[in-house]
Amino acid sequence: DAKTTQPPSMDCAEGRAANLPCNHSTISGNEYVYWYRQIHSQGPQYIIHGLKNNETNEMASLIITEDRKSSTLILPHATLRDTAVYYCIVRVEGTYKYIFGTGTRLKVLA
Amino acid sequence: DAGVIQSPRHEVTEMGQEVTLRCKPISGHNSLFWYRQTMMRGLELLIYFNNNVPIDDSGMPEDRFSAKMPNASFSTLKIQPSEPRDSAVYFCASSLASGFEQYFGPGTRLTVT
Repeated sequence: DAKTTQPPSMDCAEGRAANLPCNHSTISGNEYVYWYRQIHSQGPQYIIHGLKNNETNEMASLIITEDRKSSTLILPHATLRDTAVYYCIVRVEGTYKYIFGTGTRLKVLA
Repeated sequence: DAGVIQSPRHEVTEMGQEVTLRCKPISGHNSLFWYRQTMMRGLELLIYFNNNVPIDDSGMPEDRFSAKMPNASFSTLKIQPSEPRDSAVYFCASSLASGFEQYFGPGTRLTVT
């Protein structure tokens, strides 16, 4: 199964960009990278996903390297409400399965 | 849209009792997932339904766990008999189709004493 590696924790000042890295060096050609976040005591929330090209939506931007071995989720102007655990997930090829790792605990500081 | 609805939000029960967790997926979604989250094991997929049919139940821990989806708008996860090690937060998620983004409910926090 494709595996992801994320730093366990990060801090970010409120109003600044939060850049969350993810390594997925074993990703295969047809696998998508998904990002979810989980705010304390809530269910995981979908943020964004991508295959090869960079993606942007109202929540975040996703930058995927050309070799697809890593990606970065960017929250352009972090707020206190963005404090959460962020999961980078590679969907197991040909299946519906997400393998949730331990994620990055982002703390946005006032 | 109300999102995925789960009930109850909290359940406290004694060991040996039967527990039933309920989920109403988002209308129009044809894929439904049950997950369990603990501090030790993180978020684990228990079972996946597509068009009301169980497709993969390999994550169900043991025979004490069972899940049903009698129609497109309702699913249950049952534990009988419950044990203290079943204590966890149980999430239900639905998606438009397998492979699409999943939308999670608020979860049911189960405590078995």
